Parts: sequence; C-alpha cells; structure tokens
Amino acid sequence: RKEVEQDPGPFNVPEGATVAFNCTYSNSASQSFFWYRQDCRKEPKLLMSVYSSGNEDGRFTAQLNRASQYISLLIRDSKLSDSATYLCVVNGKAGGTSYGKLTFGQGTILTVHP
Amino acid sequence: NAGVTQTPKFRVLKTGQSMTLLCAQDMNHEYMYWYRQDPGMGLRLIHYSVGEGTTAKGEVPDGYNVSRLKKQNFLLGLESAAPSQTSVYFCASSDRVLYGYTFGSGTRLTVV
Repeated sequence: RKEVEQDPGPFNVPEGATVAFNCTYSNSASQSFFWYRQDCRKEPKLLMSVYSSGNEDGRFTAQLNRASQYISLLIRDSKLSDSATYLCVVNGKAGGTSYGKLTFGQGTILTVHP
Repeated sequence: NAGVTQTPKFRVLKTGQSMTLLCAQDMNHEYMYWYRQDPGMGLRLIHYSVGEGTTAKGEVPDGYNVSRLKKQNFLLGLESAAPSQTSVYFCASSDRVLYGYTFGSGTRLTVV
C-alpha cells in the first residue's frame, strides 16, 4: 500500500462548481499534513496546512480525520485559475524515522473550464 | 528574497557523463532535500540533509551523491548519468517541517 494515496482524476468541472479531493495515508503516526498545488511545469507550492480541527482559507477548506487516516480538500466556486495538480502531503511523527521527510501523493489533476 | 534557487534549469547529458546540480537557499533553513519527479511516480526523495555537514539517503538514492558543506547549499551529483535519470529534479528547504517546504523551480535533466 502506498504511503499516501490520491485519486489521480482528472476532475473536469465548470467555473463556479464545488469540487472535493480525498487522500488517505498509511502511517498512523503521521503528525502534520498539507495540500500543495503544482502548476504545469512548475514547482509545488504550499496551498494550506491541514489541522485536526479543520481549517478554511477563502474558498478552500481542508479536513483531517485521524481515525480514518483521511484528508480532504474542498474548493468552492471554482475559478479557471484553480486548474492545477493538487498534492496531498504527509509528514512523519517527531522522533520517528520519517520525521522531517514529507511524503507526497501522486496528485489529483483539476481542470476548470468556462 | 530569492528563496530557493536551482542551477542549471535545463541540461542534456550523454550517458556516462557527470554533472552537479546546485541548490542554494537564503532563508537560513536547516533542512534541505532533493526530489525527482517522474510521470505517474510523483515526487520521490533522493537524499536529504538535516543540517550543515550532514546527509542521509531517501527513497531512491542509487546513482546520486550529495554534499552539504555550507548550510545554504545542497549539491546533487550524478557520477555516471543513465537514461533512467532523465527527470525533473526539485530542491526544497524547510526550517520547521511542521510549516512545509519551499521548493526551487526545478532542473529538467535529459540523459541521452
């Protein structure tokens, strides 16, 4: 089983739609979680951290379910500029061998069309 | 503030040639990383460093060597390039890993 698994998509949605991405991770000791965005032929950039209580940043909402080892990202009112690959990212627990090394999912491709 | 700078941005090598990729960060970060990204494989960790003078192997270290002689620089070397090393290489750095990484813009390497 992969450490971090995502549905690769692609997701094709019209402008204004709401779209949700899911991600599961295998290491129950994982401590911190992120969503990154990667545009075509560019480097990944941090979109948002994911907190246990859930967090929101404008049109973006991230949720974490530690019991199910599941992370989600919800995008509301999609814009053309949201078209990108979204990477689910997990860090190991402090003191463990995986700490400090982020593990990336393969990414979910989103295309927003007019 | 430049962040993380990678050089070169593009390179074509012949099989068997050697080269060094340079990563420089000006944020005084302790941790630095080298990843490669291939279609369908995602980002895979090659080597990383938790501080000046330290290096460690990641998920796919074979065929690569690294050095971190100065805190701000992390070098990735290919001693004898192979076509399987054709990839996009990303360097990243972080201060506290709870805050995520900052990536460089990548090096596109083709080995023919």
